[in-house]
This record gives sequence, C-alpha cells and structure tokens, in this order.
Amino acid sequence: RKEVEQDPGPFNVPEGATVAFNCTYSNSASQSFFWYRQDCRKEPKLLMSVYSSGNEDGRFTAQLNRASQYISLLIRDSKLSDSATYLCVVNYNNNDMRFGAGTRLTVKP
Amino acid sequence: NAGVMQNPRHLVRRRGQEARLRCSPMKGHSHVYWYRQLPEEGLKFMVYLQKENIIDESGMPKERFSAEFPKEGPSILRIQQVVRGDSAAYFCASSPGQVVEQYFGPGTRLTVT
Repeated sequence: RKEVEQDPGPFNVPEGATVAFNCTYSNSASQSFFWYRQDCRKEPKLLMSVYSSGNEDGRFTAQLNRASQYISLLIRDSKLSDSATYLCVVNYNNNDMRFGAGTRLTVKP
Repeated sequence: NAGVMQNPRHLVRRRGQEARLRCSPMKGHSHVYWYRQLPEEGLKFMVYLQKENIIDESGMPKERFSAEFPKEGPSILRIQQVVRGDSAAYFCASSPGQVVEQYFGPGTRLTVT
C-alpha cells in the first residue's frame, strides 16, 4: 500500500459545483495532515491544515477520519480559479512529510 | 518577509556535468527539505536537513546526489555527472520545526541535454 494515496482524477466540474477529494494514508501513527494546491509549473502552496475535529476555511472544508485513515477536502461553489492539482500531505514519521501524487481539478465555465 | 528562495530558477547542464541547486529558507526556519518532481508526477521526498546535519536522506539516490545545509549560507543540493533522467523540477521547502507545515520555494527546473 502506498504511503499516501489519492485519486488522480481529473475531476472536471462546472462553476458553482461542489467537489470532494479523498486521500488515504498507511501510517496509523501519522499526526499531521495538510492540503496543498499546486498550479501548473508552480510550487505547492499550503491550502489548509487538517485538524481532528475538521475545519473550514471559506468554501473549503477538511475532514480527518483516523479510524479509516483518510482525509477529505470539500470545495463548495467552485470557481474557475480553483482549477489546480490538490496534494494531500501526511507526516510519515517525526522527520518528514509524504505527498500524495495529487488530484487534478478543472473547473469549467 | 521573503519566502523560500531558490536559485537558479532554470539550469541547463550537459550530460556528465555537475548541477548545484541553492535554497535559502524563510527567515527563522532551520528545517530544510528537498523534493524532486518529474513531469506529470507527484513530489518525491529526497532529503531533510537541519543546520549542519542531515536528518533523513532516505529519498536520495545512493550515488551522485548529495546535500548540505552549512551553518552559514544556503542549503545546496549537488548532482554530479548528471544524466538525462535527472531532468526535473527540484523544490526546496522550509519549516520552523518538525511535523508542521512546510513552505516551498519556486523550484529549480533542471534540464540535462
């Protein structure tokens, strides 16, 4: 099993749609979780941390399910500018983070 | 407050030459990570360093690749005798501590001809 696994997509959705991504991780001792977004040929940028109780930032909601070892990202009211690759990040041990391969989202007008 | 700086942004090397990639972390960050990203693929962890110490190099190829983070100056990722397969984007990230969010530099795109 891969350390961090994501559905690669692509997800093609119309503006205004709600879209959800899931990410599974293999290390049950993982403590920290993040979502990053990466635009084409650019560096990854932190979107949000994921807390045990779940957290929301505007149109974005992140959830953590420790029992099933997955995290999710929900985007409501999609905008054209949300088009990007979304990376799930999980700490693999105390020293470093492991990135999923990313889920590509395209929001169409 | 400058972010993570990387240079050069683009580097072209012929097969067999050496490539040196530099990374200056954000101010106040003492943890540096290097990642490689091949076209259309995800980020692959290479190495994690703190000042003057390599903490985890489990993602580094066994030969030709080395990294350092000296007491003064930027972190350096060095690739000796480059081959075509080394062509990729190399990203550096920094963080203020372990197991916290990392902030990425703009990357160095290495092309080996």
